[in-house]
Amino acid sequence: DAKTTQPTSMDCAEGRAANLPCNHSTISGNEYVYWYRQIHSQGPQYIIHGLKNNETNEMASLIITEDRKSSTLILPHATLRDTAVYYCIVRGANTGNQFYFGTGTSLTVIP
Amino acid sequence: DVKVTQSSRYLVKRTGEKVFLECVQDMDHENMFWYRQDPGLGLRLIYFSYDVKMKEKGDIPEGYSVSREKKERFSLILESASTNQTSMYLCASRRGLAGGPDFGPGTRLLVL
Repeated sequence: DAKTTQPTSMDCAEGRAANLPCNHSTISGNEYVYWYRQIHSQGPQYIIHGLKNNETNEMASLIITEDRKSSTLILPHATLRDTAVYYCIVRGANTGNQFYFGTGTSLTVIP
Repeated sequence: DVKVTQSSRYLVKRTGEKVFLECVQDMDHENMFWYRQDPGLGLRLIYFSYDVKMKEKGDIPEGYSVSREKKERFSLILESASTNQTSMYLCASRRGLAGGPDFGPGTRLLVL
């Protein structure tokens, strides 16, 4: 599975869009990009995933660059409850059951 | 929605005790996982199971065993708890190879 690189921490003002970047320059053609978040002392929560097209759901949008070497998770109107650690994971659709979580980006939403 | 439940949110045990952590999922998922999470180390996979009575070692299986007698239940066993097994333990399940795993709330284990 491709390695991912994320900033250690970010701040975002409440009500503004939070844009969380992830670099995955070694991604291969059949590998998906997944995003999870973990609120303090809870289990990780699935947010969204995509292959090459941009994706949107009720929680967030995922923008994947055309070369697929990086992606951005967008929380359109951040709230205090979005304060969490956000993990970007890249893995293949049929490469077993391993999901490697790195140390993620700690997002703090500021009132 | 998938619901993954873990038997305890907090647990305190003594060194040398046998510890059972139970995980149950209600969506008929084939795959189940046990991770531990420690500060600065992220989530590390201990064991996973892709079917009843099947198990595979993850990255850090030493000191642990697992049991999957029924599809919905996956147990993590610490045969003789040690202080370095103090950690947050997370169970997850996943349907087939599609999508991402769904996690339980976690069990914070303290071994004294």
